[in-house]
Amino acid sequence: EVQLVQSGAEVKKPGESLKISCKGSGYSFITYWIAWVRQMPGKGLEWMGIIYPGDSDTRYSPSFQGQVTISADKSITTAYLQWSSLKASDTAMYYCARSYCSSAYCYYFDYWGQGTLVTVSS
Amino acid sequence: QTVLTQPPSVSAAPGQKVTISCSGSSSNIGNNYVSWYQQLPGTAPKLLIYDNNKRPSGIPDRFSGSKSGTSATLGITGLQTGDEADYYCGTWDSSLSAGVFGGGTKLTVL
Repeated sequence: EVQLVQSGAEVKKPGESLKISCKGSGYSFITYWIAWVRQMPGKGLEWMGIIYPGDSDTRYSPSFQGQVTISADKSITTAYLQWSSLKASDTAMYYCARSYCSSAYCYYFDYWGQGTLVTVSS
Repeated sequence: QTVLTQPPSVSAAPGQKVTISCSGSSSNIGNNYVSWYQQLPGTAPKLLIYDNNKRPSGIPDRFSGSKSGTSATLGITGLQTGDEADYYCGTWDSSLSAGVFGGGTKLTVL
């Protein structure tokens, strides 16, 4: 059974750093891409970026480039999303999702993690 | 502002049919596959339709997808109260070199 299990909810202060995780199981982790999707409170889905754990090839949405870092450790089948300096506006639910990309195009998300709620407040 | 445009809400009675539209441009829907996701309250999104009109295993044939030009449509027949959810379209945008989603449509089954 394919599963993406995310780390637990976080409460942080503005300016702090954070790294959340997404552990894949039940499939070949290095064969598929893992994306991160943001959902701010009461709002829609936003595509942040995507990584290929096989070689760490990473693509970012222009809206999130430079704001976050996506990484992966294929030895422990885990992808990460990290911030160096959180802002209150980073408060949101963050989902990881499995996908597949060609050299020029990424496809649909067939499996999703349960979400990690990040709250940034002073 | 979102790249793909969806109506904020739709509603219909149990047993009826509803359609949800998703409008884009040649850089996204016009030249790439569309997928649809259902997000029940308090849960993660779930894939409903991929490659414009294909259903993953386990998705009932009450759900269907179509695409024409720069627009796509999700259809749901035989509405059930359990279908009340937010629905999102998604695709790739070749100009942005990134994935994009619609703003989401809240379905109410009256």
